[in-house]
Amino acid sequence: AQTVTQSQPEMSVQEAETVTLSCTYDTSESDYYLFWYKQPPSRQMILVIRQEAYKQQNATENRFSVNFQKAAKSFSLKISDSQLGDAAMYFCAYRSYSGGGADGLTFGKGTHLIIQP
Amino acid sequence: DGGITQSPKYLFRKEGQNVTLSCEQNLNHDAMYWYRQDPGQGLRLIYYSQIVNDFQKGDIAEGYSVSREKKESFPLTVTSAQKNPTAFYLCASSIAGRAYEQYFGPGTRLTVT
Repeated sequence: AQTVTQSQPEMSVQEAETVTLSCTYDTSESDYYLFWYKQPPSRQMILVIRQEAYKQQNATENRFSVNFQKAAKSFSLKISDSQLGDAAMYFCAYRSYSGGGADGLTFGKGTHLIIQP
Repeated sequence: DGGITQSPKYLFRKEGQNVTLSCEQNLNHDAMYWYRQDPGQGLRLIYYSQIVNDFQKGDIAEGYSVSREKKESFPLTVTSAQKNPTAFYLCASSIAGRAYEQYFGPGTRLTVT
């Protein structure tokens, strides 16, 4: 079974600064997807960014980018120019590439990100 | 507006009672999922369904049951056999073959006393 580990229960960053959230995972598969989800106080889960394991290029979405190290099984999220609206729980998640199956995602325990004004 | 609806947002029940959580989607998605979230924990998969009249157990299915009689609906019943039912429950859906794009509903907070 796959596992996802987020070793930082809480992180704090000054507004406009850059912060990196860590995620490691364990799998024996070679093809899979990795995700970062944001859960604000409303508790709605919002997809931030997705990475396909077969792609060497790191995914980027505006101020959000990832550092995907497949050999190290590491998938960190970098948030640049942090904004107050970025304050939330951030979850790293994994899904195997099962070619059409619809099984669910495996989540880490989350990192609580605090933005200091 | 297309999306996923979960109702109610807060639900209270007495211990020993079964309770059904609603999940409806108008995204025309084939696959639907139920997750449970506990404080300080990530989401854990309870059940999922790829098509109507078919569903599969996830990692923590004990004490729960589901049905999928309509494409749009995937209700979750928390039975009295579930030892710790108090939690936040999230429903999600995805297009068949694109399960990497899961869209989540707003969730239901269930409290059992």
